[in-house]
Amino acid sequence: QQQVKQSPQSLIVQKGGISIINCAYENTAFDYFPWYQQFPGKGPALLIAIRPDVSEKKEGRFTISFNKSAKQFSLHIMDSQPGDSATYFCAASIGPTGGGNKLTFGTGTQLKVEL
Amino acid sequence: DGGITQSPKYLFRKEGQNVTLSCEQNLNHDAMYWYRQDPGQGLRLIYYSQIVNDFQKGDIAEGYSVSREKKESFPLTVTSAQKNPTAFYLCASSMSPGGAKNIQYFGAGTRLSVL
Repeated sequence: QQQVKQSPQSLIVQKGGISIINCAYENTAFDYFPWYQQFPGKGPALLIAIRPDVSEKKEGRFTISFNKSAKQFSLHIMDSQPGDSATYFCAASIGPTGGGNKLTFGTGTQLKVEL
Repeated sequence: DGGITQSPKYLFRKEGQNVTLSCEQNLNHDAMYWYRQDPGQGLRLIYYSQIVNDFQKGDIAEGYSVSREKKESFPLTVTSAQKNPTAFYLCASSMSPGGAKNIQYFGAGTRLSVL
């Protein structure tokens, strides 16, 4: 049972454009939603994260939009650069009172930013 | 230089053989995790440990075993019972699960192939 659904599977964006990756979750107990970035042959690294008490969080060119009622959240990469080409994973977890801080990951989006 | 070290980077397993993947962290983190990554399937949790001498099964524990005898070490054994072991294995660690954030830091991974 996949609890976090991610789309699209792959994405090609022109340099300077906006990259948008979407995720939807089922478990309403999730209360922490991070995004990880992974380059080929490397482990994922935390990019940005949000909790459901806010609808948006921005860090530099990266923004998470969160819609609690729709149980959806998305990553927006503004002014996309070739160096942003990587695989992006959304994830979700339940807080410290339950779930042991296990992360449930989406299936990943392979982003390619072309010149 | 703090971080998570996984070794070896590449590993080959023969039919019927058990192999052990090493994961060491010097971040003084209490929790450690093992994930398996397959193309198009994201990261799936194999085992996790919140404290020394204790660990729990994740979503796909069959055919794997772990130990947590020291805080900094969490080796994963892929046993002969795991019939499809070819994958990229990632180890991660995080601060005590009682913390407000669940930032998991990942190692660079071990790629396991079957001969």
